Amino acid sequence: NAGVTQTPKFRVLKTGQSMTLLCAQDMNHEYMYWYRQDPGMGLRLIHYSVGEGTTAKGEVPDGYNVSRLKKQNFLLGLESAAPSQTSVYFCASSYTGEGDTQYFGPGTRLTVL
Amino acid sequence: AQKITQTQPGMFVQEKEAVTLDCTYDTSDPSYGLFWYKQPSSGEMIFLIYQGSYDQQNATEGRYSLNFQKARKSANLVISASQLGDSAMYFCAMRALYNFNKFYFGSGTKLNVKP
Repeated sequence: NAGVTQTPKFRVLKTGQSMTLLCAQDMNHEYMYWYRQDPGMGLRLIHYSVGEGTTAKGEVPDGYNVSRLKKQNFLLGLESAAPSQTSVYFCASSYTGEGDTQYFGPGTRLTVL
Repeated sequence: AQKITQTQPGMFVQEKEAVTLDCTYDTSDPSYGLFWYKQPSSGEMIFLIYQGSYDQQNATEGRYSLNFQKARKSANLVISASQLGDSAMYFCAMRALYNFNKFYFGSGTKLNVKP
């Protein structure tokens, strides 16, 4: 039982390049989330999904796209990376109950030069 | 709109003493969940404790307890008998049950435990 995994763990991009971050969970969770964490700002929700084939915008969606073609995977894409997207990205998943916590991946540290 | 406020950017506590980390929240939803997470310097997010909005008693998990005051919309985390390993960032979060189960996080409190 691996929980929530993220690929890659580190990445350096040049401005304008694109990339995809992969999140995978093996707990059969319905909900999945992508966050970014910047110093002093806590976690901010980028996009989320309430089930396979669904996605929705969070608090800071601009510059990102997502897809959830399979229940266990949630992909985050950057089409044209900008230095403002330098951050640590966390994926999380959860069951649907009120008391169900989110389970987080280890994070991806992205630097855009 | 939902909002979580943590007003203590950093705190120090002496080893073996108790410490309270503040968290206030704002929501108009009748039902919600409140969570605390720990983030050590290694970066992972660790779930600590949960409190439901209809729970009458304060939640406890080992050395962690949640001081829930619904009328004041506060959900403070109390850590008893602090240990050096408690040094970390602590985040308060709220699960919005009426808003697609989205989680809203505070900006965090950096706790340093002194020997």
